[in-house]
Amino acid sequence: EIVLTQSPGTLSLSPGERATLSCRASQSIGNNYLAWYQQKPGQAPNLLIYGASNRATGIPDRFSGSGSGTDFTLTISRLEPEDFAVFYCHQYGTSPLTFGGGTKVEIK
Amino acid sequence: QVQLVESGGSVVQPGGSLRLSCAASGFTFSNHGMHWVRQAPGKGLEWVAFIRDDGSNKLYADSVKGRFTISRDNSKNTLYLQLNSLRPEDTAVYYCAKANGWLPVSWGQGALLTVSS
Repeated sequence: EIVLTQSPGTLSLSPGERATLSCRASQSIGNNYLAWYQQKPGQAPNLLIYGASNRATGIPDRFSGSGSGTDFTLTISRLEPEDFAVFYCHQYGTSPLTFGGGTKVEIK
Repeated sequence: QVQLVESGGSVVQPGGSLRLSCAASGFTFSNHGMHWVRQAPGKGLEWVAFIRDDGSNKLYADSVKGRFTISRDNSKNTLYLQLNSLRPEDTAVYYCAKANGWLPVSWGQGALLTVSS
């Protein structure tokens, strides 16, 4: 099983600041099948990034993904008030599919 | 637009059984694989099971293998999850999700299952 480790656990930032979230895999993720989801309280997860760096439909360009192999990053260039939430990375290339433990981005 | 509506969540005693359903609309259901993903209260996401578009291939997490069964009825645009031998640690919100390949792309709002005596 591919274990995904996200860091930090919590990120305290102010609106307008840059957020950098990390996701490290226990083994290389084939074809960079790595996605990022945003989840707000009481809501289902929403797909942001797939294939490590491709934005999903309707996702603003302040969200960007990068990385390959075992190290991946989600960057939010300038935080908007609606961006504060929990973010999960997810590998969908190997069964069992797995999720990281999440990074909470909170308002400082 | 894609709509996924889960139903069947309830309170069940340990050892009991339950079937969750997910009604799909807004896309060609028979062309897409489907997932079940769960989230225990206050915890992260855990993938549970996947079924291919035609139902010919099914995958399960080790934690549910042998106890849960994923199935689908393409004539009814409905996904199912049969849960047997339930344990307290199965308590969670269960989400169904439409897949592109294996990638979950659209999620329902979830159904809450509580396993408790």
